[in-house]
Amino acid sequence: GNSVTQMEGPVTLSEEAFLTINCTYTATGYPSLFWYVQYPGEGLQLLLKATKADDKGSNKGFEATYRKETTSFHLEKGSVQVSDSAVYFCALTRTGNQFYFGTGTSLTVIP
Amino acid sequence: ETGVTQTPRHLVMGMTNKKSLKCEQHLGHNAMYWYKQSAKKPLELMFVYSLEERVENNSVPSRFSPECPNSSHLFLHLHTLQPEDSALYLCASSQEWWVSGGSYEQYFGPGTRLTVT
Repeated sequence: GNSVTQMEGPVTLSEEAFLTINCTYTATGYPSLFWYVQYPGEGLQLLLKATKADDKGSNKGFEATYRKETTSFHLEKGSVQVSDSAVYFCALTRTGNQFYFGTGTSLTVIP
Repeated sequence: ETGVTQTPRHLVMGMTNKKSLKCEQHLGHNAMYWYKQSAKKPLELMFVYSLEERVENNSVPSRFSPECPNSSHLFLHLHTLQPEDSALYLCASSQEWWVSGGSYEQYFGPGTRLTVT
């Protein structure tokens, strides 16, 4: 079946630290991969996506590379800010109509 | 209003009550979704509507009853809920429901925080 596993949080970092949130997936065929972010009191927003192997998605300083050999899509940012505090969800879809989400990783960035 | 809106934002109800959650999308999308978000669990897809027709129903108890009167509005009617139904209920929409070889981004509302007492 299709599923996503992401690292459990919460993650607490100091401002300007390097961020990695791990995400691995199980899927048949070639899924599209996504990172969504949920800020406090808001719904999920698409952060970045990659639709085929070796693609790199990037947005707002965040990056993730679709690694088929390791079935991974780890989220990284070189220097986090307090405003990046949120919950991050890894997700995949095979056909676009069924999304599979991870459990979410809570990030808190302290000044 | 822009994007996807949900009302109410918070709801407390007893197990014998009947209430409804409302979702409205202002994006001209053709597909709408209900998700349940519980702590420490992946988002659970509950229902999918495409062009006002239900296309997915993922083994959701009958105490949850969706309604999609038009492509902009989606309701979730609740009755005789259980305490374990307490969660954040998220509505989402996308341009289309199914696309071959690709994917459409889903746009989410802020959710309704439901507490069943």
